[in-house]
Amino acid sequence: GEDVEQSLFLSVREGDSSVINCTYTDSSSTYLYWYKQEPGAGLQLLTYIFSNMDMKQDQRLTVLLNKKDKHLSLRIADTQTGDSAIYFCAETVYYGNNRLAFGKGNQVVVIP
Amino acid sequence: DGGITQSPKYLFRKEGQNVTLSCEQNLNHDAMYWYRQDPGQGLRLIYYSQIVNDFQKGDIAEGYSVSREKKESFPLTVTSAQKNPTAFYLCASSPKPTGTGLGNEQFFGPGTRLTVL
Repeated sequence: GEDVEQSLFLSVREGDSSVINCTYTDSSSTYLYWYKQEPGAGLQLLTYIFSNMDMKQDQRLTVLLNKKDKHLSLRIADTQTGDSAIYFCAETVYYGNNRLAFGKGNQVVVIP
Repeated sequence: DGGITQSPKYLFRKEGQNVTLSCEQNLNHDAMYWYRQDPGQGLRLIYYSQIVNDFQKGDIAEGYSVSREKKESFPLTVTSAQKNPTAFYLCASSPKPTGTGLGNEQFFGPGTRLTVL
């Protein structure tokens, strides 16, 4: 079964780094995703990592994957006020269909 | 521009009425999804469709219905049987209906906020 857990709230000062954590349960997941949701909007795909990778860097974003512990993290360098949002991690779910299981989201508030 | 559109952005409904939420995509994606989002609960899957004229129930399908007559359209009807319909509804699509390769990623519309009066 799939179950994705995230902590709920993080505040960070502008310019600092922020780290959001996520744990997942389905060891067969091949891709894991990070989404960003700004207030009143849909989800925007930020980045993804393939399960045979440990790390992926994409500009200010660094994704770390510890497959042994089923732990995923997203680090945002030089956090900006525009990074204030809810961040969701998601894992792929297979059982003959194509689904994503989402965590409950982590709200990040950037303090100027 | 390619993308997913949802309409309306805000919708008000009286108790006992059915209401239909629109979702259209011009990305030529095979799969489409409907989610419900409540504060502090993340996203919950209502229905999904991997191909035209076929759809499956998600985790909270009771009180909802869908159709997939065209590849680009996946409307959601919230029926009077849905006991607590006030929520933010998100539609998504993905390129591939199945498989283990990249293509499982989902792209979301802007959402519809439904309020029952």
